[in-house]
Amino acid sequence: AQSVTQPDIHITVSEGASLELRCNYSYGATPYLFWYVQSPGQGLQLLLKYFSGDTLVQGIKGFEAEFKRSQSSFNLRKPSVHWSDAAEYFCAVGGDDYKLSFGAGTTVTVRA
Amino acid sequence: DVKVTQSSRYLVKRTGEKVFLECVQDMDHENMFWYRQDPGLGLRLIYFSYDVKMKEKGDIPEGYSVSREKKERFSLILESASTNQTSMYLCASSPPMGETQYFGPGTRLLVL
Repeated sequence: AQSVTQPDIHITVSEGASLELRCNYSYGATPYLFWYVQSPGQGLQLLLKYFSGDTLVQGIKGFEAEFKRSQSSFNLRKPSVHWSDAAEYFCAVGGDDYKLSFGAGTTVTVRA
Repeated sequence: DVKVTQSSRYLVKRTGEKVFLECVQDMDHENMFWYRQDPGLGLRLIYFSYDVKMKEKGDIPEGYSVSREKKERFSLILESASTNQTSMYLCASSPPMGETQYFGPGTRLLVL
């Protein structure tokens, strides 16, 4: 069965500092990997996705993620955080069926 | 842009009531999903549908049923609401397997 672990429940970062959110997955074959963001009271918005090819993926809002098969990881990064990046972030894994499995989420707080 | 709408943003119901949550998507997607989101647990799949009148159980189907009579509409039904079904409910849709899921804004349900 597929699964996702997001080791950090909550991260606080200063505005302008870099951000890295960790994601480890378990899947028997080549996975499809996603990062979503959820602002308070809202649904989930796709930040980026990895299906195949280049292991460094660029997304919206200046985010990027790197797929590392050897480490079963898909960590999300942003070089310089803005106050509007305060949100909850979810990593998800899927495969050759219809379903995604989501991590428990990481809440990001941005301090001025 | 893909648009997924949910009939209510907030609902308050009494224990034992029958509750209907409606979801509509406008992109002719084959797949539709219902999740519930609880703090610390991420998103958990309740049911999904890959075609009209087709449905499959997800990870936590107990206490729920679904209906998909038209391709664009997917309904979640709580036959007899209970307090432990107080949660945020998210609907999503996607094209065929492995593709990105697009989410609605969510319905926050409180069962008293």
